[in-house]
Amino acid sequence: QKEVEQNSGPLSVPEGAIASLNCTYSDRGSQSFFWYRQYSGKSPELIMFIYSNGDKEDGRFTAQLNKASQYVSLLIRDSQPSDSATYLCAVKVWGYQKVTFGIGTKLQVIP
Amino acid sequence: DGGITQSPKYLFRKEGQNVTLSCEQNLNHDAMYWYRQDPGQGLRLIYYSQIVNDFQKGDIAEGYSVSREKKESFPLTVTSAQKNPTAFYLCASTDGVGSGSQETQYFGPGTRLLVL
Repeated sequence: QKEVEQNSGPLSVPEGAIASLNCTYSDRGSQSFFWYRQYSGKSPELIMFIYSNGDKEDGRFTAQLNKASQYVSLLIRDSQPSDSATYLCAVKVWGYQKVTFGIGTKLQVIP
Repeated sequence: DGGITQSPKYLFRKEGQNVTLSCEQNLNHDAMYWYRQDPGQGLRLIYYSQIVNDFQKGDIAEGYSVSREKKESFPLTVTSAQKNPTAFYLCASTDGVGSGSQETQYFGPGTRLLVL
């Protein structure tokens, strides 16, 4: 069983729409949750991190965490073609230095 | 500017050859990591180091070796024992154990290793 699961996509949304990216994890000891964006051929760059249940907003991005259901999601409002990339979900378990990454969801924003 | 640098950007390895990938950071971070990324797969941890002169194997350490003689540097050697080394290699750092954003990993630009 994979520790961090994401749908590889591609997820296609029209420009201006809301893109919803989902991630589930298996370890209930998971404490820290990260979303990274990775453009083709480039390294991942951090979008947001979240630690507490609920929503966390930063500009057009909202991260949502539900520890009881073991999922974390990323919403992108007013999607732009420049948002087209692969989005990686990452999870860190308390007390461990390792971070586990999902395979990433490829997002395509159609102009 | 603070950041993580990796070199070279592209590296070609011949059969039976050991090659070393460089990773340097000036963020004063304690912990450093090496990941491998293959198409359609997530990042897989090769080695990590929490402090100087100490490092731990990750999930796919076979065929790789590292050293951590300085806080700023964490080079990765891909040995001839690694039979399928073609991949995108990413170095990351974080300022160590603790709560808050300090746990966030920041990545270098990556090195793409190809086998001739």
